[in-house]
Amino acid sequence: AQKITQTQPGMFVQEKEAVTLDCTYDTSDPSYGLFWYKQPSSGEMIFLIYQGSYDQQNATEGRYSLNFQKARKSANLVISASQLGDSAMYFCAMRAPGNQFYFGTGTSLTVIP
Amino acid sequence: EAGVTQFPSHSVIEKGQTVTLRCDPISGHDNLYWYRRVMGKEIKFLLHFVKESKQDESGMPNNRFLAERTGGTYSTLKVQPAELEDSGVYFCASSYYAMNTEAFFGQGTRLTVV
Repeated sequence: AQKITQTQPGMFVQEKEAVTLDCTYDTSDPSYGLFWYKQPSSGEMIFLIYQGSYDQQNATEGRYSLNFQKARKSANLVISASQLGDSAMYFCAMRAPGNQFYFGTGTSLTVIP
Repeated sequence: EAGVTQFPSHSVIEKGQTVTLRCDPISGHDNLYWYRRVMGKEIKFLLHFVKESKQDESGMPNNRFLAERTGGTYSTLKVQPAELEDSGVYFCASSYYAMNTEAFFGQGTRLTVV
């Protein structure tokens, strides 16, 4: 069975600092995809970044990067130069070969001015 | 390109009533998913369509929930009769079949059962 674990219910970061949001996953499938989504207070789910299980390099998208450690089954999201608008819920997700997305419980990030 | 749209955005119904939620996925997306998020908790999977077929409905809580996807296009999720614990935000998402593509989410339907 696939499972996503986010152990940080809430995180605080100073504006302009970097922050790492943790995500570990569990799957026996060799092929899978890892995703991060942002959910601001307005409620929409915004896709941030994707990492494939066979990708050799860590994914990056602007200020977002994914620290992918396959042996440890972790896919941590790193946000550099935090902005006030980064305050939101962040969800880690995994897509299994059966194509369903599994989500973690989320981390609430608050950026402090 | 139009995104995933959900109707209604909010619904308040009394316990025992029926509610039908609708989701229009992005055109060309074979995969359609329904999820529910209860106040501050995880995003819980309900079911997954591939075209008009139910690929996985293991997350459907009980037989009060019925989902359909007509002709592989839009989908409806009916709750009948609604119970208090059904309250939450129901999200619909759609994606292409390829595993390296993200799911696009609708804005969600906030259901309140009183």
